[in-house]
Amino acid sequence: EAQVTQNPRYLITVTGKKLTVTCSQNMNHEYMSWYRQDPGLGLRQIYYSMNVEVTDKGDVPEGYKVSRKEKRNFPLILESPSPNQTSLYFCASSFFQGARAFFGQGTRLTVV
Amino acid sequence: GNSVTQMEGPVTLSEEAFLTINCTYTATGYPSLFWYVQYPGEGLQLLLKATKADDKGSNKGFEATYRKETTSFHLEKGSVQVSDSAVYFCALSDESNYQLIWGAGTKLIIKP
Repeated sequence: EAQVTQNPRYLITVTGKKLTVTCSQNMNHEYMSWYRQDPGLGLRQIYYSMNVEVTDKGDVPEGYKVSRKEKRNFPLILESPSPNQTSLYFCASSFFQGARAFFGQGTRLTVV
Repeated sequence: GNSVTQMEGPVTLSEEAFLTINCTYTATGYPSLFWYVQYPGEGLQLLLKATKADDKGSNKGFEATYRKETTSFHLEKGSVQVSDSAVYFCALSDESNYQLIWGAGTKLIIKP
């Protein structure tokens, strides 16, 4: 089954404790991206990757890192989480940028 | 720059009512237009799309027509069901760099 898998689905952490949210897709998509969803703000892109070893900043990259060492995986790293990063995060992939996007089920992160 | 504007929600309707969710856009050239749906607790999934002017996208009883003259892509359904309760996102794919630009989302609540 074609899917994008994110883990964990829910995470509560403390300020400053490094965390990683994993994302994996099984569709051989070249393009992957991370979004955060906040009430009234819709989806905002954090980072995206056009292909392996190619990543770039989206609209709200501050406080986040990503890596794309292999095609299927695109982890999101918060080196020092802060409360303003409390949000719902989505990973998405597509064959190319602008094509139909497939989304993971989301990770609800709370930073206290 | 490019942008997508959706009507603010929540939109509350009774079952079998007619639905319209407005979406207008600002873009140069001829972007592709999308509607995505997010059911409670899930990631977004593509509902329908249109890639050129006057195209009509349709799926699951929903329709939207790409109107270049009014820069609109309004989502319609003739008779909504409780199971249509979700958040609906309008988006465009920029013609030049294919970046997806998202609206803020419209929450739809259908009461039995």
